[in-house]
Amino acid sequence: AQKITQTQPGMFVQEKEAVTLDCTYDTSDPSYGLFWYKQPSSGEMIFLIYQGSYDQQNATEGRYSLNFQKARKSANLVISASQLGDSAMYFCAIQAGGGNKLTFGTGTQLKVEL
Amino acid sequence: DVKVTQSSRYLVKRTGEKVFLECVQDMDHENMFWYRQDPGLGLRLIYFSYDVKMKEKGDIPEGYSVSREKKERFSLILESASTNQTSMYLCASSLYGRERKNIQYFGAGTRLSVL
Repeated sequence: AQKITQTQPGMFVQEKEAVTLDCTYDTSDPSYGLFWYKQPSSGEMIFLIYQGSYDQQNATEGRYSLNFQKARKSANLVISASQLGDSAMYFCAIQAGGGNKLTFGTGTQLKVEL
Repeated sequence: DVKVTQSSRYLVKRTGEKVFLECVQDMDHENMFWYRQDPGLGLRLIYFSYDVKMKEKGDIPEGYSVSREKKERFSLILESASTNQTSMYLCASSLYGRERKNIQYFGAGTRLSVL
């Protein structure tokens, strides 16, 4: 079975600053994928970034980057130059084992302040 | 763009009613999923389907059933709604394959209240 742990229920960051959202995972499968999703107050889940377990480099997508530390089983999301529109719930998820299922963490509520 | 459409944003039903939540995707994806989301618990998988007429139980299937008669449509059924099924329900779809990067695309969600 897979497990995702997000220990930060809520975070505050000032506009234009960088913020790191923590995610640790547990799986016995050597092949896995890690995903981050954003959920604004409107409710829709938006895919942000993906990291494969065999990827040599940390993933980046615009202002989002993933700090992947395989030995520590962590996959932290870094958002650079925060904007007010980044205020949302953020979920980390893992895909491992059979099939294409995702196992999600409990999420981190991020609030960007002026 | 991938489009996953859930038929209702908000639903209010009475205890004991049979409830249908509908989900349609337009990207010819093989996989479809139903999750429920509750505060502090994240998203939990109810059922998923990797092909027409195929279904597999997720982590919390009790009290739910599903139907997939056409590739683009995946229905979640609450046979006899109960108050503990009040929740946000999210549908998702993805390609099927061994490649790990099968991104799941989500609908806007249905907020169900059972009174």
